[in-house]
This record gives sequence, C-alpha cells and structure tokens, in this order.
Amino acid sequence: DSGVTQTPKHLITATGQRVTLRCSPRSGDLSVYWYQQSLDQGLQFLIQYYNGEERAKGNILERFSAQQFPDLHSELNLSSLELGDSALYFCASSERGGAQDEQFFGPGTRLTVL
Amino acid sequence: AQSVTQLDSQVPVFEEAPVELRCNYSSSVSVYLFWYVQYPNQGLQLLLKYLSGSTLVKGINGFEAEFNKSQTSFHLRKPSVHISDTAEYFCAVSEDNQGGKLIFGQGTELSVKP
Repeated sequence: DSGVTQTPKHLITATGQRVTLRCSPRSGDLSVYWYQQSLDQGLQFLIQYYNGEERAKGNILERFSAQQFPDLHSELNLSSLELGDSALYFCASSERGGAQDEQFFGPGTRLTVL
Repeated sequence: AQSVTQLDSQVPVFEEAPVELRCNYSSSVSVYLFWYVQYPNQGLQLLLKYLSGSTLVKGINGFEAEFNKSQTSFHLRKPSVHISDTAEYFCAVSEDNQGGKLIFGQGTELSVKP
C-alpha cells in the first residue's frame, strides 16, 4: 500500500459525459501528479500540482482539468468524453515535487467510455 | 526533448536465470533516471533511481541498474529471477526545471517461467 488513495476504482460512462476522479496523497506529501495509461499511448504525464499551485503540465487535453485543494487532495475532471479517453488514470504524490523525488502511485481509476 | 526507449516489449525468461531489461534515453540536459515496476492490477512501485554519484545503483528485490552517460542507457539487471518478478517494468526520466514530470518508456513485460 503506497498510501495514495484514488476513488472510484472503476468508472463506466457514455461519450459526451463528464466525470471527476479523486486522489488523496500520502500524508506529508505536498505534490500530486496525474498520469494516463492506455494501450496505444502508454504512460503519459498529464499535470502536476504542488501545494495547490500548478507546477508542470504535459499533453493534457483542453477537455481535461485538475486542481489541488487546500487539504492537498486533488481532482481530475474529464469532460465531453470520447471513446479514446478510456484508460487507467493514476495519481501519484511526492514530498517536494522535485525532479529527484520518488513518486508514490495510487492503484488507479479505470475509466471506460462507451 | 526528453524521450525514453525500452528496447524490448516482452522478455520471457526461466526462473533462476539472469535478466537484463534495456532502457535508452535522450535528453539535452542532465537527467535523473528511475525504474518502476507494475504488478498486475496495481499501481507503480519504485525499484531504484539514479540521481548522481556511483553509476551502479541497487534497488529492492535484488535488482540493480547501471547508468552509462556515454551510451545514454540505464539498463536494469537481476542475476537470478523469481516467478514473483513477473510484472511490467517501466524506465522513466525527469529533468530539473520540469517539476517532477516523469517521462516513461513503453514498458517491458517480464514473464518468468518455471
């Protein structure tokens, strides 16, 4: 158990819908990351937050947005869903949010768009 | 731009045999290198990381990796594998001034047979 929790575990929805994925970081970690894992794209970095502020951004679609709240939990919002958004979404956390940090990964949320 | 190439998508090996999983990276600046393991239906777990100093790094579960700057490689090795090592292995790279953004390779599926 990494100490990072993600809810829900599974999510099945239809095209065009909007969903919210939630992540609670390990106790003491200030930085949260979101990654997307799919068969064709592999593991892709989406976005990073540190203590409530955006720190780094990857190839995150405009339909996707995220935020980190004062209690340090984070939410990833996916809207106007398409079939291609079906993937495993991982949240990770680290202590300082630097390039040398070990990132601790949650178990993931499996999103299926029908 | 950063990129990571894992040269083998699948590596089948017999129990107690040695194994090497290959990883090459490209970057124009100094990098930090990581190997993560993903067991079925789980999140990623850090095996080992290279930040600086000795080019041979030892990790958990008997794994080690060697950083070779001239060949831009970071190959993962284990002298004797166990059935329980069956998993997907990911090489990743991060850079200073990119937050904690990790760029992952496509993964190598290690399958250990009795």
